[in-house]
This record gives sequence, C-alpha cells and structure tokens, in this order.
Amino acid sequence: DVKVTQSSRYLVKRTGEKVFLECVQDMDHENMFWYRQDPGLGLRLIYFSYDVKMKEKGDIPEGYSVSREKKERFSLILESASTNQTSMYLCASSSPGWPGELFFGEGSRLTVL
Amino acid sequence: KNEVEQSPQNLTAQEGEFITINCSYSVGISALHWLQQHPGGGIVSLFMLSSGKKKHGRLIATINIQEKHSSLHITASHPRDSAVYICAVPSGNTGNQFYFGTGTSLTVIP
Repeated sequence: DVKVTQSSRYLVKRTGEKVFLECVQDMDHENMFWYRQDPGLGLRLIYFSYDVKMKEKGDIPEGYSVSREKKERFSLILESASTNQTSMYLCASSSPGWPGELFFGEGSRLTVL
Repeated sequence: KNEVEQSPQNLTAQEGEFITINCSYSVGISALHWLQQHPGGGIVSLFMLSSGKKKHGRLIATINIQEKHSSLHITASHPRDSAVYICAVPSGNTGNQFYFGTGTSLTVIP
C-alpha cells in the first residue's frame, strides 16, 4: 500500500520556537508538496520540490523553508513559529506523468501559542 | 479569482439520498481530481478523470471538458460518506502543481 507519512499528527509549540514537520513517501516520487489548509481558504501551496535539493516557492512561502536532502523525505521548517501559523499542514506527492496522481499524508495539526 | 469553484459549500442529506457536488474551473486542463477528507483526517484521492465518467462503488464522477465542469455523485448516501469533497486541477505546463476548490462539506444524517 503506497504511503505518505507525516511525522506528527498534533503539535503544540510556543511563539518563536523552531518547528520541523517531516514527510516521507515510499513511492519513489520526484514531486512532493507542502500545503496549508485553513477553513474557508482551502489548500494553499507553501513549497514544492521536483527533485532532491530542488525546491520552488508556492503561494505562501513567507515564514517557511523546506529541505529535500533525500528523494523520499521532504521537510517543512518554521524558523520562528507565530500564532498565525496555527493550521493543518498536509504533505503530498504526485506520481510521474501529466497529470500525476496525488497522494496525501494524514496531516499535521500545529497549534502555536 | 478562483480557478476552481465548487458548489454547494455545505450540504446536508438524509441517508439514502442521491447527492451531487459540482466543480467548475476556468483553466484549460486535461484531467481533474476528486479528493475526500474525513473529519480530522488526511486526504485521499477518489478519482482522476479526463473524459466521460468513472464509477467506484456508489461514487460516480463525470467531466465535460468543453464546458469546464465536473460533478461527483453519491448514490444511496450513507453517514460514512460525511466528509469534505475537494476537486483539483493541474496548473502550469508541467502539471506539477494543482489548483484546489475550497471543498464541499457533506453531512449525511441517519
């Protein structure tokens, strides 16, 4: 069974803390994505990566960075968490070809106090 | 401007009812995704379709590329169908990114 696994389902952090959200996929996909999901706003793309060490900004990259050192792992980093980054974070990967099929992780619900 | 519009935003149905969720998009595409998200859960892909109709159990998805419209139908709805349904279309020349609708929240009452 193909899988996208996110390291933490629920996190509570304090303002100013550094936060790591990790995502691992076992499908050898090149494309991986980090989205943020907020009520009424739907899914918004933070960053995506189309290969190891390659990344591109999405629609809302401010306050976030990413790391892709290995093909299967795509990490989202909040250098200094703020309360407006309280949200559900979803990692996804897509299969090769156009268009690719989308596979999502279970999501990480982050609360910043 | 939203490239993908869904309707309705919220939908409540009695168990057994036939349900339709609509998705209209403004970009040129060759395929569209329907996704499902149960409360508190991750997102799973239901369908990826580029023409005509696809069926999986009680779920049927149709697409009209010329009219830029897709529908997701649920026959004999059940409380376990309660979820948010999201349509998504690929964006850009490479299809590496996606436009998403804001979702339709479905509640099926026993």
